[in-house]
Amino acid sequence: ELKVEQNPLFLSMQEGKNYTIYCNYSTTSDRLYWYRQDPGKSLESLFVLLSNGAVKQEGRLMASLDTKARLSTLHITAAVHDLSATYFCAVRDDKIIFGKGTRLHILP
Amino acid sequence: DVKVTQSSRYLVKRTGEKVFLECVQDMDHENMFWYRQDPGLGLRLIYFSYDVKMKEKGDIPEGYSVSREKKERFSLILESASTNQTSMYLCASSRLAGVYEQYFGPGTRLTVT
Repeated sequence: ELKVEQNPLFLSMQEGKNYTIYCNYSTTSDRLYWYRQDPGKSLESLFVLLSNGAVKQEGRLMASLDTKARLSTLHITAAVHDLSATYFCAVRDDKIIFGKGTRLHILP
Repeated sequence: DVKVTQSSRYLVKRTGEKVFLECVQDMDHENMFWYRQDPGLGLRLIYFSYDVKMKEKGDIPEGYSVSREKKERFSLILESASTNQTSMYLCASSRLAGVYEQYFGPGTRLTVT
């Protein structure tokens, strides 16, 4: 059974700092997704990673995928308050399994 | 612009009532999904459908049923609502093949009293 683990589950950080969220999964997969969810809102797709070594960047967020290590990272560069949200990774096996989410709180 | 809509943002129902949650997508997607989201438990798949009139159980189908009579519409039915079904319900859709990226609706926050 596919398991997807994110860590940390909660992160409070200062504006301007860098940090990384980790997503480990337990089986081979060639589809990894990152989503953002603002409080009271639905999930918004951020990145789709389709192959080993894939790297995608949007603004201060960069996602990468290492299929051999079964690991994806979401790196935040010079965090700003607007990035406060919950971030989910999801992996596709025969269906899509979501991690529990990382709640990111960026202090001004 | 892709769009998934859900019939209600907030819903309050009584224990034992039959509850219908509707989801409509305008992207001609084959796949549609119903999830519930609870604090500390993340998203859990209730049911999904890969074609009209086709459905598959997800991880937590007990107490729920679904209906997909048209490609664009996927309904979640709580036959007899219970308080432990109080939750946020999210609908999503995706293509059958390819990238398989899911697009989510705004969610329905259901309270069962």
